Order: sequence, then C-alpha cells, then structure tokens
Amino acid sequence: KAGVTQTPRYLIKTRGQQVTLSCSPISGHRSVSWYQQTPGQGLQFLFEYFSETQRNKGNFPGRFSGRQFSNSRSEMNVSTLELGDSALYLCASSLVFGQVYEQYFGPGTRLTVT
Amino acid sequence: AQTVTQSQPEMSVQEAETVTLSCTYDTSESDYYLFWYKQPPSRQMILVIRQEAYKQQNATENRFSVNFQKAAKSFSLKISDSQLGDAAMYFCAYRRSGGSQGNLIFGKGTKLSVKP
Repeated sequence: KAGVTQTPRYLIKTRGQQVTLSCSPISGHRSVSWYQQTPGQGLQFLFEYFSETQRNKGNFPGRFSGRQFSNSRSEMNVSTLELGDSALYLCASSLVFGQVYEQYFGPGTRLTVT
Repeated sequence: AQTVTQSQPEMSVQEAETVTLSCTYDTSESDYYLFWYKQPPSRQMILVIRQEAYKQQNATENRFSVNFQKAAKSFSLKISDSQLGDAAMYFCAYRRSGGSQGNLIFGKGTKLSVKP
C-alpha cells in the first residue's frame, strides 16, 4: 500500500506570494492533519480534516488555510507569505477521526520564503 | 494547556549499547496517549511506539521499550542494542483521548547519534 505523498517536495517562494501544498493520504484513510516544523518552534499542529470538514485548528493566523476533497486528498494554502513561514510542512493521515489509530506521516514539503 | 518537554537536546550511544531518552509532560487529563516518533535525516516521521495512559503495562516494540510513570508524568524511551540506523531525531508526543486524533503535541526533540 502506498504511503502518504506530498507535493511538491521543495518549493521556493518570495515574500507576499501565496502557496498551495498538496497531500494524498494512504488509500482508505479519511483523516488528514497538517503540521509545521521549524528549528525554533519545533512541530506545531496546523489543522485536521475529516470528511471534507475542518475538525481542529491550531494557533496559526488566518493566512493559513486548508481544505479536503471527497477523495480525502487535502491541500493547504498560505497567503501573503512571510519569511517566518519557511518550514517543513508535514502531512499525516489516519484511518478515521475520533479513535486512536496511528498517524502516518508523509515526507514533507520544504518551503523556503525569500 | 498540555506541554511536552524533552530535556536532552542531544544524546550519544555506542553501537550495541543501551540508551534512554527522557520525556515529561504536563496535563490535567487522566486519559491520553503518548508516542515516540523517529525522524531520520530523510525527514520521514516514523512511529516508534505508543502508550495508552490507562494501561499500566509499559509498551514494547522489539528493541524499543518505554518506562511510563503516570503519576510523575514521565515517558522515557529505552533503545536496546543500538544500531547505526537508530541515529535520528526522536520526538515525544502527547494526544488527548477522544475528539481529535490529529492534534499531537510534540516535544522539541532529542538528536540521537550512534557511534560505531
């Protein structure tokens, strides 16, 4: 079974631009979560989607948004990029929402904002 | 708010030896889950081991085992017979029971080096 895939793997943007990252969960998984990883702040939860609905959101500004499609694929969007948005963005999928199943992480998208 | 603390930014172990990574957490909840994740240089986060707070028995997975002390809010990871492939960042994570399973709270991580 294929793992979680994230595209693109690397991205370079300039301040003020917007970016869209994509995540395809493991087949059959319906819950997708996003995390931001930076050297300073570590791993921080962004949001979680299940059945095309955002179920939880972390403490990030409104410039960070996401959505989930009917096939469980998810995208996250960051508008008006700032230098501090440079990070590794990790996506994780799990079977269902509300039960204890392991999260399986993708390889991440490395975003660099210049 | 729940917090997870890993007090050892870096650790080193000789190949075939045993090493213990420390993790403490703070929560007012009685039911929750704790995890250890491994992140090698490839950056792919891999689940190493999971512990349910309601279980008194410590979880084990092959060479990996935990020492879960609920009253002390401590959750250490022991790696036995360390191998070169164990070199990675190790993250301790907490998740509350029920509701969202996506909201993992991570510690800052411990970088483990394995010397041949």
